[in-house]
Amino acid sequence: RKEVEQDPGPFNVPEGATVAFNCTYSNSASQSFFWYRQDCRKEPKLLMSVYSSGNEDGRFTAQLNRASQYISLLIRDSKLSDSATYLCVVNMRSTDKLIFGTGTRLQVFP
Amino acid sequence: SAVISQKPSRDICQRGTSLTIQCQVDSQVTMMFWYRQQPGQSLTLIATANQGSEATYESGFVIDKFPISRPNLTFSTLTVSNMSPEDSSIYLCSVVIGVGGDTFGSGTRLTVV
Repeated sequence: RKEVEQDPGPFNVPEGATVAFNCTYSNSASQSFFWYRQDCRKEPKLLMSVYSSGNEDGRFTAQLNRASQYISLLIRDSKLSDSATYLCVVNMRSTDKLIFGTGTRLQVFP
Repeated sequence: SAVISQKPSRDICQRGTSLTIQCQVDSQVTMMFWYRQQPGQSLTLIATANQGSEATYESGFVIDKFPISRPNLTFSTLTVSNMSPEDSSIYLCSVVIGVGGDTFGSGTRLTVV
């Protein structure tokens, strides 16, 4: 079983749609959680951290369920520029190592 | 947040040769990480580069194949040795930026022919 699992997609959605990505992780000792965005042929860039209380940044909402070992990302009012691969990432803070999911590809069309 | 300069950005190399990739950070950082991203896949950690001590390698990666240097707190190199076509990949370095996740270099796209 992979340490971090994501649906690879692609998710093809029209502009303005709401789309949700899910991610599960296997190691209950994971301490920090992130969503990264990776554009084609570019390096990953931090989109947002994920907190147990849930957090929102503009059109993006991230949630964490430690009991279920589940992380989600919700994107509202999708823009063409949101088209990218979204990587679910967990961190074993004791080692500072990041474990990456395989990514979920989003394509927003006009 | 830190700014990382990684080079070369891309290279095409003959099999059997070696390539050294450099990462320069604009601030002092304790740990730097080296990742590989194979075509169509996510990132896999190769090793953690520690200043003043040997790098710590992940399962499946060995020092002879991927020697790492970390001479100071702002710089690290990764060498891909005795390359084969299977080493064709994107190689990225990263640094920890507090509790807010990591910053990545722009990556080195390596093609081995």
